Amino acid sequence: SQTIHQWPATLVQPVGSPLSLECTVEGTSNPNLYWYRQAAGRGLQLLFYSVGIGQISSEVPQNLSASRPQDRQFILSSKKLLLSDSGFYLCAWSGIARTGELFFGEGSRLTVL
Amino acid sequence: QQQVKQSPQSLIVQKGGISIINCAYENTAFDYFPWYQQFPGKGPALLIAIRPDVSEKKEGRFTISFNKSAKQFSLHIMDSQPGDSATYFCAASKGSGGYQKVTFGTGTKLQVIP
Repeated sequence: SQTIHQWPATLVQPVGSPLSLECTVEGTSNPNLYWYRQAAGRGLQLLFYSVGIGQISSEVPQNLSASRPQDRQFILSSKKLLLSDSGFYLCAWSGIARTGELFFGEGSRLTVL
Repeated sequence: QQQVKQSPQSLIVQKGGISIINCAYENTAFDYFPWYQQFPGKGPALLIAIRPDVSEKKEGRFTISFNKSAKQFSLHIMDSQPGDSATYFCAASKGSGGYQKVTFGTGTKLQVIP
């Protein structure tokens, strides 16, 4: 069966510090990978998606970047965090079937102080 | 531009009652309409989904009603239970290149009281 792991689960970082959130998927090959951000009381905002190694598309211009160094690994990064980067970050994957079925990780709660 | 509008923002229902959450979309290119359930501190999980060529889909106590002409769809939770207390997101997706682009509603926080 497929599983998705995301870490760290909780992170408190000062403004201006770097960020690295990591996500790995097991049990599937060539997944589409996604990073979403969920602000308090709001919906899910798509930040990045990837259809293959090294292929990253950005949905929203921001202080963040993403990389996919391996087929089942997706990393969200920032060189200098802003207060507005606080939120709940969710990694997700989908298969090749053309549906809207996303499988989410447990999320990473980022607080920037 | 918000492409999927969801209401209400919050909902309180008595145990055993019916919970109803409504969504409306604008883009007729959407071809798949999933609902996700999210418990506090967890990632969303797919609950039930429907394609636009079907007017209703039922899975256990959960039913999606779909009105293509009105571009609206809704989730009905029959015999609501305290364990159903969660945030529910409707979504709409369409093919875009090599992946399905999923647009989410803003969520409905459901509380089922005993």
